[in-house]
Amino acid sequence: EVQLLESGGGLVQPGGSLRLSCEGSGFIFFNYAMSWVRQAPGKGLEWVSVISGSGGSTFYADSVKGRFTISRDNSMQTLSLQMNSLGAADTAVYYCARGVIPSDLDPYYYYYMDVWGKGTTVTVSS
Amino acid sequence: EIVLTQSPGTLSLSPGERATLSCRASQSLTSNYLAWYQQKPGQAPRLLIYGASTRATGIPDRFSGSGSGTDFTLTIRSLEPEDFALYYCQQYGGSPLTFGGGTKVEIK
Repeated sequence: EVQLLESGGGLVQPGGSLRLSCEGSGFIFFNYAMSWVRQAPGKGLEWVSVISGSGGSTFYADSVKGRFTISRDNSMQTLSLQMNSLGAADTAVYYCARGVIPSDLDPYYYYYMDVWGKGTTVTVSS
Repeated sequence: EIVLTQSPGTLSLSPGERATLSCRASQSLTSNYLAWYQQKPGQAPRLLIYGASTRATGIPDRFSGSGSGTDFTLTIRSLEPEDFALYYCQQYGGSPLTFGGGTKVEIK
């Protein structure tokens, strides 16, 4: 069964840091771009970041650029998100998602998400 | 950035009725790269439709997607009790990826 399992969420003070992880199973991890999407309480979905299958290319939403770093370890089938300088606006459920690129001609950041984890909650508060 | 506008914000219908959800893009989408997701309270989104009209694996055929360019539609032919949920569209033909604000389908 294809699965994604996030961990690492919790309560952190403003200005603090947190590292999220997502473990993939049931599929060949390096064949897929992987992404983080977040959802603030009562709000819609917000794309956060994506990393190519090889890990060589990354892309970030403007709202997190310079503060968040996405990475992956294909040997461990693990995706990570290092989050620094956290603020109240970062409070959300963070989902890990598998990206499907429609065509070999498309860039790694053109994808839809066919498998999602259950999410991990990040709360930024003093 | 491509802005997606979903309408209506809320759709109040009864089981068995037909639901029509709209998603309008601020510019034409490359190759109709539009996906639809369903989300129930406390759960992760689930992929329903990609490429504007292709059903994802395991999605019942009462769900259908249509449209091209800037105007897209998700239709639920006959609402089942488990279909009352939030629905989001997402475009993947422009950078960055963006989601619509969502349509809530609620029981009338």
